Amino acid sequence: QQQVKQSPQSLIVQKGGISIINCAYENTAFDYFPWYQQFPGKGPALLIAIRPDVSEKKEGRFTISFNKSAKQFSLHIMDSQPGDSATYFCAAAGGSNYKLTFGKGTLLTVNP
Amino acid sequence: SAVISQKPSRDICQRGTSLTIQCQVDSQVTMMFWYRQQPGQSLTLIATANQGSEATYESGFVIDKFPISRPNLTFSTLTVSNMSPEDSSIYLCSVGAGTNTGELFFGEGSRLTVL
Repeated sequence: QQQVKQSPQSLIVQKGGISIINCAYENTAFDYFPWYQQFPGKGPALLIAIRPDVSEKKEGRFTISFNKSAKQFSLHIMDSQPGDSATYFCAAAGGSNYKLTFGKGTLLTVNP
Repeated sequence: SAVISQKPSRDICQRGTSLTIQCQVDSQVTMMFWYRQQPGQSLTLIATANQGSEATYESGFVIDKFPISRPNLTFSTLTVSNMSPEDSSIYLCSVGAGTNTGELFFGEGSRLTVL
C-alpha cells in the first residue's frame, strides 16, 4: 500500500514557467511533509518542508501548498530554471513511527 | 546539517559475493538509517541502525541479507550479502536531524552494479 502518491511521474517546463508537483497521503497521523531534490549522482537534499498548522510555506521560488482536509500537498516552483532540473520527492512522517515515507518521485526537466 | 561520507561511491560486483558500505558522519547522531534506491525508483527504508544494539529492519528486509553494524554514534556499515543482479541499486545512508523531526540528511550514495 503506497501511503504517499506523487504525480506527475515526469514534467517538462519551459524556462520561466511554473512547475507544479502534487502529492496525496492517506495516514492522518502524518504531520511533517518535506520535499527533497535529487540531482543525478547525488543524494537527496531537503528543499522545503511544511507542518499542517499552516496552509502555505514559501522559500524563494519554492512554495508548498497544503490542504489538510483533502490530505494533499503540492510543490510550486516559480520562474523555473534549467538548474532546477532534477528529481523531486515528496515525503511524509508522523505518528508513533516517525519515519519518512517517500513518494515515487517526479523527474523535472526545465528547457532553456 | 550533517556531512555524511559514504564508501565506496560505486562498485561493480560479481554475483554471490558480498560488499560492505561504510557511512561516516561528522557529528554524533542518534538516528541513522539505510535506504535503497533502485534505478529510477523512490527511496525504500531498509533498516534503522541502532547504536549498541541490533538494527531494526523494515518489512521485506532481513538481517542475513543486509547485516548492519553501528559501533558508535558517528559510524555505520551496511553489508549486502550473496549479491544478485536484483541488488543493483543505490544504497544511501541518512541521519536524522533530531528525534521525531522527520528531517533527514543523506549521503551521496553507493551505486552497486551486480553482474
